Amino acid sequence: DQQVKQNSPSLSVQEGRISILNCDYTNSMFDYFLWYKKYPAEGPTFLISISSIKDKNEDGRFTVFLNKSAKHLSLHIVPSQPGDSAVYFCAAGTYKYIFGTGTRLKVLA
Amino acid sequence: NAGVTQTPKFQVLKTGQSMTLQCAQDMNHEYMSWYRQDPGMGLRLIHYSVGAGITDQGEVPNGYNVSRSTTEDFPLRLLSAAPSQTSVYFCAIREGTNTGELFFGEGSRLTVL
Repeated sequence: DQQVKQNSPSLSVQEGRISILNCDYTNSMFDYFLWYKKYPAEGPTFLISISSIKDKNEDGRFTVFLNKSAKHLSLHIVPSQPGDSAVYFCAAGTYKYIFGTGTRLKVLA
Repeated sequence: NAGVTQTPKFQVLKTGQSMTLQCAQDMNHEYMSWYRQDPGMGLRLIHYSVGAGITDQGEVPNGYNVSRSTTEDFPLRLLSAAPSQTSVYFCAIREGTNTGELFFGEGSRLTVL
């Protein structure tokens, strides 16, 4: 069973608009939720995280929202820039981190 | 990459051969882990360690061995490589105890023929 799911394999957004990436999870015991950006042939780059005791965390253009009742996590990028084009992974865990399968974001100039 | 060094960056093996992927960190972090990434599969946890002498299995541990004799190093061993182990392998550390953030190395691409 897939404990962390990213149901949208791809997303296209116009430059300057908001990008919203979604993630669903099944295990209510996860303590930490993270978002990563990945380019080909590179390691994942950490973007932003949130602990299970919070419902929102912001860092510059990136905001993560956690809805524990719905077991749903989202990443908002505002404004989106062409350099944001990459594959984005969500992850959840405490010691055993489980990753989603990724969403490919394309920001159109 | 937060002081995480992976070697080698590329390796080609024949089925049945053994090898060790090395992961070293210079920041004295207790938590280290190994992931593999395959197309369409995201990153899957192989093994992790919360300190010297302590290791545990992740989602896909079969075919891999680990040990943690020092804080700095967390090698991943393939005792008898199989084509299904062709993948990109990433080592990750966790810097803090209050944030849960993982920081990854640059990866090791392994091909098993």
